[in-house]
Amino acid sequence: GAVVSQHPSRVICKSGTSVKIECRSLDFQATTMFWYRQFPKQSLMLMATSNEGSKATYEQGVEKDKFLINHASLTLSTLTVTSAHPEDSSFYICSATRQGISNQPQHFGDGTRLSIL
Amino acid sequence: AQTVTQSQPEMSVQEAETVTLSCTYDTSESDYYLFWYKQPPSRQMILVIRQEAYKQQNATENRFSVNFQKAAKSFSLKISDSQLGDAAMYFCAYRSEGGSEKLVFGKGTKLTVNP
Repeated sequence: GAVVSQHPSRVICKSGTSVKIECRSLDFQATTMFWYRQFPKQSLMLMATSNEGSKATYEQGVEKDKFLINHASLTLSTLTVTSAHPEDSSFYICSATRQGISNQPQHFGDGTRLSIL
Repeated sequence: AQTVTQSQPEMSVQEAETVTLSCTYDTSESDYYLFWYKQPPSRQMILVIRQEAYKQQNATENRFSVNFQKAAKSFSLKISDSQLGDAAMYFCAYRSEGGSEKLVFGKGTKLTVNP
């Protein structure tokens, strides 16, 4: 089945640090990947849609300069949290859909728990 | 914009019994997809079942089935013969047909399975 790998699974770092999270589709090509944020005991909130070869589409209220997204290949999207602060601590999850096959469900990575001290 | 509502923050069921989780949604679209995802404590998102809006037949996956009422915009999940491993957060999600494939999630229902 379709596998999405997300790395790292856990990050603890100091305030002011920039953190990069990778999302890879291991056995399929994905023109579109999605980045979600999930606070404790809450639902997933879409942050942005990552499109291969073009700029990401950010949801309203998400700072594009704060959360940099790069989708340079059909199998890799990265989310960089720049100058992270404690309020950026959260669980970040990516998902991907197969290229060229319509009506496919999203396949999720295992998530990244980000803790900013 | 579409919205998804899960009115039950928490539910519990005895092992081997049946439980139904509720989900309603609001949309002006006629073609769309609905999903139920399970998120266990590991926080991995696992697809449980999906339903295409154009299909009248309710989707079924082993012990999981849905009651899709398009006119009422209702999409409930029934879990039969509940198992301890079914304990998790369950999220209902909506996706438009065509255009962006982004998912709109409900707030989730925490399911506890009692032995």
